[in-house]
Parts: sequence; C-alpha cells; structure tokens
Amino acid sequence: DQQVKQNSPSLSVQEGRISILNCDYTNSMFDYFLWYKKYPAEGPTFLISISSIKDKNEDGRFTVFLNKSAKHLSLHIVPSQPGDSAVYFCAALGGSNYKLTFGKGTLLTVNP
Amino acid sequence: SQTIHQWPATLVQPVGSPLSLECTVEGTSNPNLYWYRQAAGRGLQLLFYSVGIGQISSEVPQNLSASRPQDRQFILSSKKLLLSDSGFYLCAWDPGQKTQYFGPGTRLTVL
Repeated sequence: DQQVKQNSPSLSVQEGRISILNCDYTNSMFDYFLWYKKYPAEGPTFLISISSIKDKNEDGRFTVFLNKSAKHLSLHIVPSQPGDSAVYFCAALGGSNYKLTFGKGTLLTVNP
Repeated sequence: SQTIHQWPATLVQPVGSPLSLECTVEGTSNPNLYWYRQAAGRGLQLLFYSVGIGQISSEVPQNLSASRPQDRQFILSSKKLLLSDSGFYLCAWDPGQKTQYFGPGTRLTVL
C-alpha cells in the first residue's frame, strides 16, 4: 500500500525553464510534507517543506504547492539549472507519528 | 552547526557474517534518530527510530537490530547478513521538530 506516490519516474527539462515535480498521497492523516533532493551515493538533502495549514511555501527558486482536497503537492523549480539534476523525493508526516513516508522518487535531468 | 556522520561509507560482506553500522550526530542534544534503507529502485523505508538512549522502535520485522548506547550514537546491527540486506543505509536525525536531516549513507553489498 503506497501512501505517497510519485508517478513520474523521470523528468527532463531545459536549463532556464520550469521543472514541476508531482506527488500524490492517500493518507488523510498526513499534515506535513517535505521535498528532498538526492545525488547518487549521497544522503538526501532537505529542500523545502509545507504544513497542511498552508497551500504554498516559497524558498528562492523552489516553491511547493499543496492541494489538500486533491491530496496532491508539487515542487516547482524556476529557473532550472543543470546542478538541479538529481532524484527528488516527496515525503509525508502525520500527527505525532515520527515516520516519514517517502515516494519512490523522480529523476530530474536539466539539460544545458 | 549540527553534523551527522556515518561509517563505513561502503561495505562488502559475505552472507552469514555480522554487521555493525555506526551513526553519530554532533552539535545537538537529545535528537530523535532514525535508520532508513533504500533498496535498488525503491524509495526510502524506515527501519528503526529512537527518541532517547536505550529507546528503540522497530518499523519492519527483519534480520536487523538497532541500539542507542549514547545520546548521539545510533548503531545498526545484524548477527547474520542475508543477500536481501544489501542496500543503501541512511541515518537521519531531527531536533524534535518535523524535518529530518540525513547522513551521507553506507552502501552495503552482501555477497
């Protein structure tokens, strides 16, 4: 039972354009969502998060949007840079549960 | 600032051998600590978490165990490794807030 889904295993965009990474969840108890970036053979790096009381959070080139009614969130990267090429994981947390539930990740490739 | 260390970075072990992976966190006190595993082509799966010394919660029944002998030290162990234990093992911490921060990981290959 996959509670956090990233349905696109890969995404390719041109440098300077927008990258949109999508994530869907099924558990209504999730109330905090995070995006991580991961390079091969390294640990994930925290990018940005959003609480369920908000619908948008912005940090520099990264913006996360949350649509609670659709149980959907997305990460926008504008403008995309070649150094953004990595696997992006969506993760969710619910209530007092310490367990982060991860999606399977989306490989983003930004072409120069 | 806080830093998290894991060692070894890579490990190749024969089936049936024991395992000990270590994780330490610097620059913080009483962190929550976590062990995750990323199997090939899959997302990250939580294995164990700890909210204090000697307090371990297991998420997935398996061939592994965890211990927290000191406040900022978290150890992942096995008495006898299986082929299916191969993967990328990640330690993470949080300061009692919701964002978890990950270490560099250990690549374990069981042959």
